[in-house]
Amino acid sequence: SAVISQKPSRDICQRGTSLTIQCQVDSQVTMMFWYRQQPGQSLTLIATANQGSEATYESGFVIDKFPISRPNLTFSTLTVSNMSPEDSSIYLCSVEGTSGGAVAQYFGPGTRLTVL
Amino acid sequence: AQSVTQLDSHVSVSEGTPVLLRCNYSSSYSPSLFWYVQHPNKGLQLLLKYTSAATLVKGINGFEAEFKKSETSFHLTKPSAHMSDAAEYFCVVSDQGANAGKSTFGDGTTLTVKP
Repeated sequence: SAVISQKPSRDICQRGTSLTIQCQVDSQVTMMFWYRQQPGQSLTLIATANQGSEATYESGFVIDKFPISRPNLTFSTLTVSNMSPEDSSIYLCSVEGTSGGAVAQYFGPGTRLTVL
Repeated sequence: AQSVTQLDSHVSVSEGTPVLLRCNYSSSYSPSLFWYVQHPNKGLQLLLKYTSAATLVKGINGFEAEFKKSETSFHLTKPSAHMSDAAEYFCVVSDQGANAGKSTFGDGTTLTVKP
């Protein structure tokens, strides 16, 4: 399994500002995924980030609002731009790893964002 | 396309009684199926996974799930609930086609365990 860390673990931000979330993995991975979990809801995939190419965004998410960087095989950042209270969520980084010979997704601890 | 439906948003059981959390899936390809658990203010933890090997999958903490293709189901069970099992449980599908590597989460089932 992969060990994933995220920074910051939580933050409280003002409307209109931006926050960059960092994700660090302890091994090289091809794909990294960013998810959002709104209060009391399930996880929704924001985008898939491959090293050396632009991120692929899911329906409802755009690069201007959620720019992503993937400078190498162990690191990625997600920026939440021009924030509004509706962006208050937990943001999770995820990678694929192997467990018992099978592939599974592993998740970071999440970044809890509150926008005032 | 892939989707997953968790049939119960809340399940309440007494400690020591069986647990059943229901999940139905839809996938265009041979799916991989997972159950994750999320304890309050904690990260997601993988409970178990099905990836086309044995249809009865055993996971951590005494949980198991059975893949039933004819019913497109992947229900999670545990013979005897423990207080520490109280958490949110997510059923997840990931198929092999265009969505390879992307996981679709169910809406979650909140498990409450009464003393």
